Amino acid sequence: GDSVTQMEGPVTLSEEAFLTINCTYTATGYPSLFWYVQYPGEGLQLLLKATKADDKGSNKGFEATYRKETTSFHLEKGSVQVSDSAVYFCALRDGSGNTGKLIFGQGTTLQVKP
Amino acid sequence: SAVISQKPSRDICQRGTSLTIQCQVDSQVTMMFWYRQQPGQSLTLIATANQGSEATYESGFVIDKFPISRPNLTFSTLTVSNMSPEDSSIYLCSGTGGGTEAFFGQGTRLTVV
Repeated sequence: GDSVTQMEGPVTLSEEAFLTINCTYTATGYPSLFWYVQYPGEGLQLLLKATKADDKGSNKGFEATYRKETTSFHLEKGSVQVSDSAVYFCALRDGSGNTGKLIFGQGTTLQVKP
Repeated sequence: SAVISQKPSRDICQRGTSLTIQCQVDSQVTMMFWYRQQPGQSLTLIATANQGSEATYESGFVIDKFPISRPNLTFSTLTVSNMSPEDSSIYLCSGTGGGTEAFFGQGTRLTVV
């Protein structure tokens, strides 16, 4: 079945450092890919998305490119801030059916220190 | 984008009791889902809430334990029945509309003692 694998955390960075969180997926068909962020004590917020190969999603300085050849959707940010500390989830939505279900990776905790 | 209001935001419940969680969407959504997030874990889909009919449950989840209602396109409830400490989790509802992304409620943090 479809699955998503993220790099394990926690990831600890100093402010203004470069961030990469790796995400790879296994899916039949052509899934849509997402990054969600969960701040402490809150629900999930959509950070960015990409719906087809080579699409680049971007928001709040974060970027991720849908790479079909490597089945990857790595999240990057050039300069992180303390306020970026959160849990980040990579997810896919099955493109072959219309179930609307999301399959999540295990989540990666990011801690940014001043 | 849709806004989903979920309540309660948290609760502490006695074992053996039941808790009903409500989600209200500010616009009509095509599909609604309920997820569970156990401590330190990712999200696991419990069921798809179908309007006017029985929910579709994922493997490992049953209607007797997690009855779900969805009387219209903007409202759904999840009940956690006969609770035990193992049910302590965050429960989240989600909705999808015409686009590809899903929107989430704020979550309900449940502690069973």
